[in-house]
Amino acid sequence: NAGVTQTPKFRILKIGQSMTLQCTQDMNHNYMYWYRQDPGMGLKLIYYSVGAGITDKGEVPNGYNVSRSTTEDFPLRLELAAPSQTSVYFCASSSQGNTEAFFGQGTRLTVV
Amino acid sequence: QKEVEQNSGPLSVPEGAIASLNCTYSDRGSQSFFWYRQYSGKSPELIMFIYSNGDKEDGRFTAQLNKASQYVSLLIRDSQPSDSATYLCAVNSGGGADGLTFGKGTHLIIQP
Repeated sequence: NAGVTQTPKFRILKIGQSMTLQCTQDMNHNYMYWYRQDPGMGLKLIYYSVGAGITDKGEVPNGYNVSRSTTEDFPLRLELAAPSQTSVYFCASSSQGNTEAFFGQGTRLTVV
Repeated sequence: QKEVEQNSGPLSVPEGAIASLNCTYSDRGSQSFFWYRQYSGKSPELIMFIYSNGDKEDGRFTAQLNKASQYVSLLIRDSQPSDSATYLCAVNSGGGADGLTFGKGTHLIIQP
């Protein structure tokens, strides 16, 4: 079972560059989430989606964009990368809004 | 603003003893409570979830919930060195689609 798959695992960006973090799940979950985790901190919600075509902002959305064209995929777009976006990014999915979330393996992003 | 508080630790426990991890939350409307384990450099993995007041046991793990005190705990019996990790408490408001709110985590060290 693949579960939630994220690519890439590691990436180094230069300030001002853009990139897309990919996330796909094969559990037919309607709910998908993007979190970021900074050292010694908990996970902060960036964006979430309750189904294809529906997205909404989380706690820390500035500097990011998302789309949800299919149930399976939920890419996260970084425009004009800044050092403050250096973090580990986790994609997650759940079957319902109040049930457990399953996480991908994470993307470690460094902006220099 | 929803908040989840945990003691960051490190919490050091001898092998074979009981490890007790605690968490408080601010949103009285919260209805779903989760404990995740996260090894260094890895993604969070679900250990326990609890929805009702009282205790829930699963093997060596027991989750305890007291909604009146807005308090959740995780007990790990017969602690093993492999239990050394960061434990994240996560809370979801009733039916909320906006994901889980995470604490910063407690770093647990099991001393052989």
